[in-house]
Amino acid sequence: DQQVKQNSPSLSVQEGRISILNCDYTNSMFDYFLWYKKYPAEGPTFLISISSIKDKNEDGRFTVFLNKSAKHLSLHIVPSQPGDSAVYFCAASVSQGGSEKLVFGKGTKLTVNP
Amino acid sequence: NAGVTQTPKFRILKIGQSMTLQCTQDMNHNYMYWYRQDPGMGLKLIYYSVGAGITDKGEVPNGYNVSRSTTEDFPLRLELAAPSQTSVYFCASMGSADTQYFGPGTRLTVL
Repeated sequence: DQQVKQNSPSLSVQEGRISILNCDYTNSMFDYFLWYKKYPAEGPTFLISISSIKDKNEDGRFTVFLNKSAKHLSLHIVPSQPGDSAVYFCAASVSQGGSEKLVFGKGTKLTVNP
Repeated sequence: NAGVTQTPKFRILKIGQSMTLQCTQDMNHNYMYWYRQDPGMGLKLIYYSVGAGITDKGEVPNGYNVSRSTTEDFPLRLELAAPSQTSVYFCASMGSADTQYFGPGTRLTVL
């Protein structure tokens, strides 16, 4: 049972335009959400996060929106740059007994064309 | 400050062989994790540790073992390698900020 779903395996946008990556989750106990970016042959790197008590978090060109009622979050990149081309993973945090475990989606491969 | 380091970067094993994937972090983080990523899939948690001497199973622990004798090190052991364990393995650590930091990964092929 996939608790975190990224239904678009890939997305292609033009440089300078907006990239919107989507993520849905099923577990209402998730209280923290993160986006990671991964380049080939490297480990994932943290990009941006949002707590369930907020509905928006912004960091430069990156904004994450959370819609708890729809169990949906999205990552907006404006403007998109060729260096943003990577695989983006959505992750949700489950706090159990003091440990922090992440559940990851399958990822969306973003290609930004010059 | 190297962050999270993993060795080796690549390894080819024969079925039935054993090996240990090494992971070290220099950030004094209590939490450490092992994930595997299969092609086209997300990361799946194998084992995790909340501190030295404490480990617990994740989503896909079968065929693996871990130990955590120090804060810095969290090795992952494969005892009898199987083709199903062909994957990319990532180690991660986390301090108090709910953000996991990942190593560069170990690409393992079992033939």
